[in-house]
Amino acid sequence: GQNIDQPTEMTATEGAIVQINCTYQTSGFNGLFWYQQHAGEAPTFLSYNVLDGLEEKGRFSSFLSRSKGYSYLLLKELQMKDSASYLCAVVDSNYQLIWGAGTKLIIKP
Amino acid sequence: ETGVTQTPRHLVMGMTNKKSLKCEQHLGHNAMYWYKQSAKKPLELMFVYSLEERVENNSVPSRFSPECPNSSHLFLHLHTLQPEDSALYLCASTPSERETNTGELFFGEGSRLTVL
Repeated sequence: GQNIDQPTEMTATEGAIVQINCTYQTSGFNGLFWYQQHAGEAPTFLSYNVLDGLEEKGRFSSFLSRSKGYSYLLLKELQMKDSASYLCAVVDSNYQLIWGAGTKLIIKP
Repeated sequence: ETGVTQTPRHLVMGMTNKKSLKCEQHLGHNAMYWYKQSAKKPLELMFVYSLEERVENNSVPSRFSPECPNSSHLFLHLHTLQPEDSALYLCASTPSERETNTGELFFGEGSRLTVL
């Protein structure tokens, strides 16, 4: 079966750095997405990785290792508004999106 | 203003009621999707429409009936639902039916459904 694993919940402090991990076992791989979803709001696109390595976009970076079936989302200089759920999704060999259950990130002052 | 609008935002219904969820996208996209989001579970793809034709139905019970009258509007008709159908129902759109072509799904804010 296909599976995406990410931690259910994480807590971090304002101004700090947090890394949210995502591991996957899928039939094939055609890319990995990260989405952010604030409570009661629509999920919004953060990043897309298809090649190994780190992609930086402002305070957010996303890393991919295809050989390890592993990705992480790195959030720097955390702000209270970063409190949200972060969803990892992998595109399989049939170009279907396989979703993780999401990681709820709580930021404390 | 969001490009994908869903109404109602909240809905409470009994198991014998008939109700509908509405989704409208203002992005000029050709593909629209219904997802179910339950607490602490992955997003479940329910239906995919491309150019107003259904291209995918992921074994969804018949008590959920989609309708796509044009490329801008998508409905989910609900009938004889069960309490376990209570969830957040998300609508999304993409320029084409291949979700990954553009690398981004555009979601609405969802309709929170409670079945009593």
